[in-house]
Amino acid sequence: EVQLLESGGGLVQPGGSLRLSCVGSGFTFGSCAMSWVRQAPGKGLEWVLSISDSGDTTSYADSVKGRFTISRDNLKNTLSLQMNSLRAEDTAVYYCAKAAPGTRTRNGLDVWGPGTTVTVSS
Amino acid sequence: QSALTQPASVSGSPGQSITISCTGTSSDVGGYNYVSWYQQHSGKAPKLMIYDVSNRPSGVSFRFSGSKSGNTASLTISGLQAEDEADYYCTSYTSRKTLVFGGGTRLTVL
Repeated sequence: EVQLLESGGGLVQPGGSLRLSCVGSGFTFGSCAMSWVRQAPGKGLEWVLSISDSGDTTSYADSVKGRFTISRDNLKNTLSLQMNSLRAEDTAVYYCAKAAPGTRTRNGLDVWGPGTTVTVSS
Repeated sequence: QSALTQPASVSGSPGQSITISCTGTSSDVGGYNYVSWYQQHSGKAPKLMIYDVSNRPSGVSFRFSGSKSGNTASLTISGLQAEDEADYYCTSYTSRKTLVFGGGTRLTVL
């Protein structure tokens, strides 16, 4: 079964840092572009960042540029999200999602993890 | 990048058809055939329903279809069923090589 599982969420103070991880299983992780999408409480979905299958190309939403970094380790089937200078407005459920093998994020995200909750508050 | 515009809510009776619109600009929806639609039930992760404007992933019911005209994409659900009640989001690739989501539409099956 194709699965993604996020971890690393929690409560952090404004200005603090947090690192999220997403482990993939049941598919060839290194063949799939990956993304992070977040959802603030009671709000809609917001695309945050994407990374190509090889990891050599990344793209970021303006809201997180310069603060968040996406990376991947294809040998460990792991996607990471380093979040620095966190703000209250970063409070959300963070979903890890993948594109179908050989496609790009723009072609749709076909599998999503259950999400991990990040709360930024003092 | 502004969010794509979707109606906040739509409703229909079982067996009816409904259409959800998703309006953007020539820099996103109108400029590329990279519109996807996602279904999200309360408290659950989103599910891909349509990709590349009108393609259905394996396992998605034929009752779901997508189309695009100019800067507006549409999701049509025919033969409404109670299980279709959920939030629906469109997303598009943009000229800045990013993705942008719509604000979401809550579908109520009466």
